Amino acid sequence: GESVGLHLPTLSVQEGDNSIINCAYSNSASDYFIWYKQESGKGPQFIIDIRSNMDKRQGQRVTVLLNKTVKHLSLQIAATQPGDSAVYFCAEIPYGGATNKLIFGTGTLLAVQP
Amino acid sequence: DAGVIQSPRHEVTEMGQEVTLRCKPISGHNSLFWYRQTMMRGLELLIYFNNNVPIDDSGMPEDRFSAKMPNASFSTLKIQPSEPRDSAVYFCASRTGTGLYGYTFGSGTRLTVV
Repeated sequence: GESVGLHLPTLSVQEGDNSIINCAYSNSASDYFIWYKQESGKGPQFIIDIRSNMDKRQGQRVTVLLNKTVKHLSLQIAATQPGDSAVYFCAEIPYGGATNKLIFGTGTLLAVQP
Repeated sequence: DAGVIQSPRHEVTEMGQEVTLRCKPISGHNSLFWYRQTMMRGLELLIYFNNNVPIDDSGMPEDRFSAKMPNASFSTLKIQPSEPRDSAVYFCASRTGTGLYGYTFGSGTRLTVV
């Protein structure tokens, strides 16, 4: 029979607008989070990370916000460009990093309209 | 730095054949991870090594899958016998063992079992 794949949430934005991609995590013991960008045909590429003792971290055009109370992570991309079109994954390391296991979320497809 | 190097980039094989995927981690990285990505299940951790020793293989789907890391610069993931449901993109990633730093992914091997 026909297989049913994951239906990635899709965020469509206009070039130049700001993008906000959200992620919910499940393990309250996780203390390290990473956002990855995956372009078609490539492996996930590190964007920015944040530890659980922080609630905000900024990089170049990107900001990650962490709300531990509701176990929510967001990635903000300023002045979105066509090159930002990709699938974005949040990932967490549970149990304080002792296990080294990086667990990925489902992913969000960002489509930038010119 | 050439990054994490995976080979082959693409592999097409017939059901029942043995498949071997290869990975060269970044020099100096002492943790290595094998992930599988499918539309159905997203990015799944199969197994990881610390200092060439397998630490957690709970993600390996079944006994047909095996992984080795004979030295710090090389790892293999073998599927024997292969089945059509093994078709996926297989990623290798590496990281340094100290601290909580981002993982670096290879470009992946796209496996198609017909």
